[in-house]
Amino acid sequence: GENVEQHPSTLSVQEGDSAVIKCTYSDSASNYFPWYKQELGKRPQLIIDIRSNVGEKKDQRIAVTLNKTAKHFSLHITETQPEDSAVYFCAATVDDKIIFGKGTRLHILP
Amino acid sequence: KAGVTQTPRYLIKTRGQQVTLSCSPISGHRSVSWYQQTPGQGLQFLFEYFSETQRNKGNFPGRFSGRQFSNSRSEMNVSTLELGDSALYLCASSLALDSGALYEQYFGPGTRLTVT
Repeated sequence: GENVEQHPSTLSVQEGDSAVIKCTYSDSASNYFPWYKQELGKRPQLIIDIRSNVGEKKDQRIAVTLNKTAKHFSLHITETQPEDSAVYFCAATVDDKIIFGKGTRLHILP
Repeated sequence: KAGVTQTPRYLIKTRGQQVTLSCSPISGHRSVSWYQQTPGQGLQFLFEYFSETQRNKGNFPGRFSGRQFSNSRSEMNVSTLELGDSALYLCASSLALDSGALYEQYFGPGTRLTVT
């Protein structure tokens, strides 16, 4: 079936530490995995994505890893800053549509 | 380039009424997807349109429908509104969204629908 599981639902990390959010998917044909950041009262914004022919992608403090065999992918944020506080959604393509995880609320503690 | 726009931004309706929401994609984008966002349920896929054709539909009742016009603008309609339909309705546009040509999806600001 179509399923994207995301963990944890809430994550609190000290400013400067790293944060990791994990997602699993069920459709072995999924080939595109975007991550979105949604700040309070704003629209989701694409922050990074990865395609199935790549194992890892990095953009400054953000990186995404993909393990196709295990059907899971992760978002890594290093040197967290207060502006990283938001809800993060992972997603995966399923039959030419994008299915989202339920989101992770990330709190950056001072 | 202008981003994805949605109208109206806020809407209050009563149970039993119907509502139509509008989405204008980024110029040149042909795929428009609609999502319902509620606390705790995240973003739930409603349907996706490409070149005026509905290509995919999520697990929502038939009260939820949509269409896309030749200029790629899309509307979604919800008939016989229920209290549980209160949510933020987001649309997202993309150049294309199929296994052969996956492009990034960009969201509009959403329409917040409150059903009383």
